[in-house]
Amino acid sequence: DAKTTQPNSMESNEEEPVHLPCNHSTISGTDYIHWYRQLPSQGPEYVIHGLTSNVNNRMASLAIAEDRKSSTLILHRATLRDAAVYYCILKLMNYGGSQGNLIFGKGTKLSVKP
Amino acid sequence: DTGVSQDPRHKITKRGQNVTFRCDPISEHNRLYWYRQTLGQGPEFLTYFQNEAQLEKSRLLSDRFSAERPKGSFSTLEIQRTEQGDSAMYLCASSLWNTEAFFGQGTRLTVV
Repeated sequence: DAKTTQPNSMESNEEEPVHLPCNHSTISGTDYIHWYRQLPSQGPEYVIHGLTSNVNNRMASLAIAEDRKSSTLILHRATLRDAAVYYCILKLMNYGGSQGNLIFGKGTKLSVKP
Repeated sequence: DTGVSQDPRHKITKRGQNVTFRCDPISEHNRLYWYRQTLGQGPEFLTYFQNEAQLEKSRLLSDRFSAERPKGSFSTLEIQRTEQGDSAMYLCASSLWNTEAFFGQGTRLTVV
């Protein structure tokens, strides 16, 4: 799997937007960009994924660069409950394929200040 | 369905003992994954099943570790002759084919 690079930590103020960057310069054409987050003492939780176009869901938005070598997870209004480690992962999305595991890096630890 | 459940949530064992963990995936999910996570690190992939077939095993999965998924439903992960280095959080996840994975809350193992 291609690798991703994320900052070790970021800080945000409550109710402000947060932009979490991820670099993936060796991404291949069939890699999807996935984001998971892990709250303290919890298992990881799926946030969002995309291939080429920007994506929105109820949790976040994903902005993907035109060359796909980087992406940004956007939390529109950070809350204290968004304090977590955020993982950016590249994954081959082949619906019936044998390759299925997620390869996690160290992620970005997001702190949210009241 | 309440999601992926793991049992026990915590396990303390003496070095050299065998331990077994159980994971119950979301019922319609055909894929099941095991990960291990130590403090300050991201989860490390151990193995995964598609239905009852074990399709991939990490080099991390030494011969002391064995996983099963009989009948393609729940799974067990056994560690034989535990060592202090086995102390970690063991996470289970399930997915429908290769779509997003849903994780359980994990089993925290402490080997003393």
